[in-house]
Amino acid sequence: AQSVTQLGSHVSVSEGALVLLRCNYSSSVPPYLFWYVQYPNQGLQLLLKYTTGATLVKGINGFEAEFKKSETSFHLTKPSAHMSDAAEYFCAVTFSGNTPLVFGKGTRLSVIA
Amino acid sequence: NAGVTQTPKFRVLKTGQSMTLLCAQDMNHEYMYWYRQDPGMGLRLIHYSVGEGTTAKGEVPDGYNVSRLKKQNFLLGLESAAPSQTSVYFCASSYVGQAFGYTFGSGTRLTVV
Repeated sequence: AQSVTQLGSHVSVSEGALVLLRCNYSSSVPPYLFWYVQYPNQGLQLLLKYTTGATLVKGINGFEAEFKKSETSFHLTKPSAHMSDAAEYFCAVTFSGNTPLVFGKGTRLSVIA
Repeated sequence: NAGVTQTPKFRVLKTGQSMTLLCAQDMNHEYMYWYRQDPGMGLRLIHYSVGEGTTAKGEVPDGYNVSRLKKQNFLLGLESAAPSQTSVYFCASSYVGQAFGYTFGSGTRLTVV
């Protein structure tokens, strides 16, 4: 069964520091990978996705992620954290165009002034 | 441009009561999903539908029923609510094939006392 693991349920960074949120998946076939963000009391919003092609994917709000097949990883990064980035982030995966997404348990990002 | 609309936004039920959560989308999406979100558990799939008149079970379907009589609507029913069903429920929709990602509603916060 497909699965995704997010390392660290809570990450805290200083404003202006690098943001790194980790996501690993289990698969024997090429995956479709997604990162979603959830602001307090809101639904989830798509940040970026990898389906095929370029392994470095750029998303909204300055975030990017790199698909590394050899490491089965899809870590999310942002060079400089902003206070408005404080939210919960979810990694999700599917291995078929017709199979529902499986979500990780989420990582809450706190940004300290 | 409403996207995915969930009603109600909040509800308190007594144990044993029944209720129906409504999800409506105006994007002509074929696929619709119901997830529940619990602290530390991420999002878990309850049921989903790949088209009008079709439904399928997800990871945690027990205690829930669904119907998709119209393409734009996906209903989630609780026949006899239990405290374990206290959660935030999210509806999502997508085009055929997961590569497009999901559009989420803003959620329904349900408390069963």
